[in-house]
Amino acid sequence: NAGVTQTPKFQVLKTGQSMTLQCAQDMNHEYMSWYRQDPGMGLRLIHYSVGAGITDQGEVPNGYNVSRSTTEDFPLRLLSAAPSQTSVYFCASSHRARAKNIQYFGAGTRLSVL
Amino acid sequence: AQKITQTQPGMFVQEKEAVTLDCTYDTSDQSYGLFWYKQPSSGEMIFLIYQGSYDEQNATEGRYSLNFQKARKSANLVISASQLGDSAMYFCAMSPGPPGGSYIPTFGRGTSLIVHP
Repeated sequence: NAGVTQTPKFQVLKTGQSMTLQCAQDMNHEYMSWYRQDPGMGLRLIHYSVGAGITDQGEVPNGYNVSRSTTEDFPLRLLSAAPSQTSVYFCASSHRARAKNIQYFGAGTRLSVL
Repeated sequence: AQKITQTQPGMFVQEKEAVTLDCTYDTSDQSYGLFWYKQPSSGEMIFLIYQGSYDEQNATEGRYSLNFQKARKSANLVISASQLGDSAMYFCAMSPGPPGGSYIPTFGRGTSLIVHP
């Protein structure tokens, strides 16, 4: 089982460049989300989706864009990269609304913006 | 809005001893789920244990147990008989449940646990 697959694993960008972080899951999970992890800050929610065609903002959405055209894929777009977006990004998925909604995480993408 | 507080940035424990990692939460929801995840130095996030807000018994999973005190809004993780492989970051998380909850968890800032031989 592949689970949640994130690509790329590492990326270096220059300020102002755009890019898309890919996330795909093969567990037929309805819920998908993006988090960023910064030292001492834990995981902070960027955007999430409760199903194809439905997305919503999390705690730190500025500078990021998402869409969900299929159940499997949930890409995260950086429109114009800034040094403040240097972070480790995690994609996660879970089954639809249930109390014990365990998150399944990808391996993460380490992004540096110069 | 939900808030998770982990007040211990770092903890040290001797191998084979027990350790408690603190977690308090703030929510106005009646129904919610509490989780602990482990992040070893390799970076992956690993689910450890879950406690539902209506569960009367504290959750246990092998050497992990969750000390749930609902009135105090605390959900401490207890690791018994610590092993060197327990050295990692530990995150407490909470997800709002029905009605109207998003089920998307909010995470605390984490506690770094180091197990000494």
